[in-house]
Amino acid sequence: DAKTTQPNSMESNEEEPVHLPCNHSTISGTDYIHWYRQLPSQGPEYVIHGLTSNVNNRMASLAIAEDRKSSTLILHRATLRDAAVYYCILRDRGSTLGRLYFGRGTQLTVWP
Amino acid sequence: NAGVTQTPKFRVLKTGQSMTLLCAQDMNHEYMYWYRQDPGMGLRLIHYSVGEGTTAKGEVPDGYNVSRLKKQNFLLGLESAAPSQTSVYFCASRDGQVLGNQPQHFGDGTRLSIL
Repeated sequence: DAKTTQPNSMESNEEEPVHLPCNHSTISGTDYIHWYRQLPSQGPEYVIHGLTSNVNNRMASLAIAEDRKSSTLILHRATLRDAAVYYCILRDRGSTLGRLYFGRGTQLTVWP
Repeated sequence: NAGVTQTPKFRVLKTGQSMTLLCAQDMNHEYMYWYRQDPGMGLRLIHYSVGEGTTAKGEVPDGYNVSRLKKQNFLLGLESAAPSQTSVYFCASRDGQVLGNQPQHFGDGTRLSIL
C-alpha cells in the first residue's frame, strides 16, 4: 500500500483557515485519498475523501494536486473543537476489505 | 444514534487473566474491524470480519482471538493477557459494498491496562 507523509504537528489560531498537507508520491491510479481525525480520548472520525477532483463537505474541503502526488485538507475556520490528530490515508478503490493504514498523522493545535 | 458501542470503556487486568471486549454496531454493516493504538502511534489492525461467521487476521493478531456469531457483534478475546497488550482498543464497522470507499465508523475505545 502506498505511504503518506504528513508533518508531525501544526498550529493555528481560532477562526483562521488551516491547510493540512499530505504527500503521497507513490499513489496509484486506483487509490482514493481519505482523511480521518481523532479527537482526544475518542475513536477516529471520517472527514472527507476524494479521487481526482477537489471535494467539499460540511466539515472540510479536500484539494488534490493535478498529479495526485499531494493533497491538502482545508478547515475554513478552525475552532477549538478541531484540535485533533489528522490522518491522511490511501485506500484502493478496488479493495473490498477497505482496511485503513494509519500513520502518526498531524497533531493540530488550535489557540483561542 | 448509537453507531458503534464498545464495552467496557476501561479495564485493568493482571498478567495471565483473560477477558473479552465487546463491539456492537446498529448500522447493519457487513465489515467489522478491531484495531489497537499505542501511545504516539497510529492504529494497527488486529483482526477483521467481512460478515457473520467469518474472521481473518490483520497485521498484529498474535495473542488475540475473535468471533462474529451475530452480524451486529464482534468480540475480541485475550486468553492470557500480557503487559505488551496494554493499549487502547478500537472497533470499527463499514458498509459492505464492493467498492471500498465507504467510511469506517469507530467506537470510542476500550482502555486496557495489564499489570
